[in-house]
Amino acid sequence: GPKVLQIPSHQIIDMGQMVTLNCDPVSNHLYFYWYKQILGQQMEFLVNFYNGKVMEKSKLFKDQFSVERPDGSYFTLKIQPTALEDSAVYFCASSLNPGGIAEQFFGPGTRLTVL
Amino acid sequence: GDSVTQTEGLVTLTKGLPVMLNCTYQTTYSPFLFWYVQHLNEAPKLLLKSSTDNKRTEHQGFYATLHKSSSSFHLQKSSVQLSDSALYFCALSARGSALGRLHFGAGTQLIVIP
Repeated sequence: GPKVLQIPSHQIIDMGQMVTLNCDPVSNHLYFYWYKQILGQQMEFLVNFYNGKVMEKSKLFKDQFSVERPDGSYFTLKIQPTALEDSAVYFCASSLNPGGIAEQFFGPGTRLTVL
Repeated sequence: GDSVTQTEGLVTLTKGLPVMLNCTYQTTYSPFLFWYVQHLNEAPKLLLKSSTDNKRTEHQGFYATLHKSSSSFHLQKSSVQLSDSALYFCALSARGSALGRLHFGAGTQLIVIP
């Protein structure tokens, strides 16, 4: 079936550095999402994105976070600067249709460790 | 706000027995409910979804019925297999979100033993 890829699978960085998490969504999908899962906690919505714009974001989507998808390439989540509390697994998802009963296809996640 | 509750963190069962994983939700909007399954080191994959009250939906031997009266969408299977060992997430998308932000439960780890 359709697959979402995430690169890298693991990333370790020092606090204060910048990190970019990359997502390769399903090729014909138009709607993109990032979710964050801290170890032992539930997955939580960060942001969704359509037509080059952030449509919705949660309170977890801090000012240090940004997303973009330049020219149909990777959908990226950038954190600058990073903080210790950013350590988590970040899941990317994409969907063909918006909202409602539409299926979101998930990637396997990027495990980010901030030291 | 919208939320999902999964009461069991870990369920351990012997192969061939039935299972029910609980999921209840809260929302003031019309709900869309999902079950995702995540095997070790893999991406979460959609197992079931529903927005129709009191209608059973089935896939790969798993089934669930959305009951709006009790705000529930419990996942069941009549006979679990070793390959069903995985992490199961219940998720809610409410009509108040234009692009369908999902609210996840904490997840239930299902372990099936021989």
